[in-house]
Amino acid sequence: NAGVTQTPKFQVLKTGQSMTLQCAQDMNHEYMSWYRQDPGMGLRLIHYSVGAGITDQGEVPNGYNVSRSTTEDFPLRLLSAAPSQTSVYFCASSGDLPSEQYFGPGTRLTVT
Amino acid sequence: RKEVEQDPGPFNVPEGATVAFNCTYSNSASQSFFWYRQDCRKEPKLLMSVYSSGNEDGRFTAQLNRASQYISLLIRDSKLSDSATYLCVVLGGNDYKLSFGAGTTVTVRA
Repeated sequence: NAGVTQTPKFQVLKTGQSMTLQCAQDMNHEYMSWYRQDPGMGLRLIHYSVGAGITDQGEVPNGYNVSRSTTEDFPLRLLSAAPSQTSVYFCASSGDLPSEQYFGPGTRLTVT
Repeated sequence: RKEVEQDPGPFNVPEGATVAFNCTYSNSASQSFFWYRQDCRKEPKLLMSVYSSGNEDGRFTAQLNRASQYISLLIRDSKLSDSATYLCVVLGGNDYKLSFGAGTTVTVRA
């Protein structure tokens, strides 16, 4: 099993550009989530999904969209990149929420 | 007020020492508690869940104090490989959201 995979690993965007961060898992997990990690602030939940076709907002959803058309994939779309979105983005999945969260390796995004 | 707060450290300890640190949480309805470990520029990984009665996993001991709303992690006989940031994670009582602390950094020196 590959576990949770994320692409790309690194990305530089200009302000106003849009892009999609990809996340996929091969463990048949229902719960998937996106976090951003900034220095001194811990991981903050952006969006999450409890199953295919179901998504909801987390703590910091503004400027991001998600969709969950399949169990395996949970892409995160940045609509119009801003310097404040410079961060490390982690995708995670689990069979159910109290269980172990499996994280992808992260995407390091810089917006100039 | 942050939902989960941790002393950022760093805790610098010699090999073989014992190090302990706490994490406080604000939601009294929180149901599940975890410690995750994060190495530099890597993804977090589950270290251990924290149970009401307290639990051990080798050199690691976790405790939960619901009355005072904190959890603790104690590392005995520290190894160089224990150097990492330890994240306190709490599951709220009424939703599907995990709250992460900013992490406590531990550095074990030879």
